[in-house]
Amino acid sequence: DAGVIQSPRHEVTEMGQEVTLRCKPISGHNSLFWYRQTMMRGLELLIYFNNNVPIDDSGMPEDRFSAKMPNASFSTLKIQPSEPRDSAVYFCASSFRETQYFGPGTRLLVL
Amino acid sequence: QKEVEQNSGPLSVPEGAIASLNCTYSDRGSQSFFWYRQYSGKSPELIMFIYSNGDKEDGRFTAQLNKASQYVSLLIRDSQPSDSATYLCATRVRTGNQFYFGTGTSLTVIP
Repeated sequence: DAGVIQSPRHEVTEMGQEVTLRCKPISGHNSLFWYRQTMMRGLELLIYFNNNVPIDDSGMPEDRFSAKMPNASFSTLKIQPSEPRDSAVYFCASSFRETQYFGPGTRLLVL
Repeated sequence: QKEVEQNSGPLSVPEGAIASLNCTYSDRGSQSFFWYRQYSGKSPELIMFIYSNGDKEDGRFTAQLNKASQYVSLLIRDSQPSDSATYLCATRVRTGNQFYFGTGTSLTVIP
C-alpha cells in the first residue's frame, strides 16, 4: 500500500492567498484526520471525518479554514485567506479501527 | 488540564541503556493507548499500541499501562542512536473518536 498521500509536500505563498492541501487516505480506512504541528503548540487536531462525514471541527482555528471529504479517497483542507501565523506542517492521517497512520505532511510557509 | 501529559525532556541516555518515557492521561474512559515516534522533519510513526493493563513487548520496546493510575510508559531497551527522536503518547476513548496526543518527549541516545 502506498500509505497516506499528501500534496503538495511544500507550499510557499503570500499572505492573503488561498491555500489548498490535499490528502488521499489509505484504501479501506474509514476515518480521516487533519492535524497541524508547530514547535510552539505541538500536534493539534483540526478536524476529523468518519465515513466521509465531519465529526468534530472544533479544532479549526477560524472561518478561514475549511475541510471537505467528498468521497472515501480524497480530502482537502483550505485556508482562505492565508496568514503568516498559519505557517506550520499540516498532516493528514487515516485510520481503520485502532491504528492511525500519518501522511508525510505539507510544510506551509505564508510570507 | 490537557488530556495527555508528557515530560517534554530532553531525555538523554547512553547507548545500550534503557530509556523510559512516561505519559499520563486525564480521561478514565480512555480505552486505547499509542506510542508514536517522530524523527525531525518527518511524520509520526506508530510504534506500539496497548489496550490492557500490564506490559506489552515488541522487540526492544515495551509498553506499560496502568489504568488505575492513568499512566502509560514506553521502555526502550538497548537504546541505539537511531532511537533519537521525539516520542508522542496518544489515547483514544473508543473507535471512531479522536486521538488525543501529548506534546512529546525528545529522546537523545548518546553514542
